[in-house]
Amino acid sequence: AQSVSQHNHHVILSEAASLELGCNYSYGGTVNLFWYVQYPGQHLQLLLKYFSGDPLVKGIKGFEAEFIKSKFSFNLRKPSVQWSDTAEYFCAVNAGHYGQNFVFGPGTRLSVLP
Amino acid sequence: SQTIHQWPATLVQPVGSPLSLECTVEGTSNPNLYWYRQAAGRGLQLLFYSVGIGQISSEVPQNLSASRPQDRQFILSSKKLLLSDSGFYLCAWSATSVPYNEQFFGPGTRLTVL
Repeated sequence: AQSVSQHNHHVILSEAASLELGCNYSYGGTVNLFWYVQYPGQHLQLLLKYFSGDPLVKGIKGFEAEFIKSKFSFNLRKPSVQWSDTAEYFCAVNAGHYGQNFVFGPGTRLSVLP
Repeated sequence: SQTIHQWPATLVQPVGSPLSLECTVEGTSNPNLYWYRQAAGRGLQLLFYSVGIGQISSEVPQNLSASRPQDRQFILSSKKLLLSDSGFYLCAWSATSVPYNEQFFGPGTRLTVL
């Protein structure tokens, strides 16, 4: 069964700092990759996804992620964070046709200081 | 557009009491449906998924059960709650027409078992 790990449990940054959240997965077959974000008190929502093609994908709010197949990684980046980016971020892997193998990482809490 | 509803938003129940959490989806037909439990620092754990009416697959043996009486309705139940059932329960859906697609999440139900 596949698993997803996220490098950091809690990241604290100042506004305008650059962000990189690490995500690694273990699965040898075809996968689709996702980053979800959960802002305080809000629904879990999709930030970006990778299905195929260009391994550098761009999402909402200036986020991007790079899929490196050889490293089984899908790291999330943003060049300059804002206070409003404070949230919990989840990496996820879908290796199942119906989503039955949709596996989430444990999450990384990002705190951005104004 | 599609929307997903969950109720109640919060619930406090005594040990040994029954449980029924409801999830409905609007604006789509024949969705795949999912129940997750979210624990702090541990990400999301898939509990049940359904690819059609009356079709339920369980990922984790436990004190809970799920049913899908209608195409866009998914119910999470228990006959007798345990303290360990406390947590944040999320319902999600994905489109069957797109394999390996992302999932869309509801607002969740915070369950406290005393």
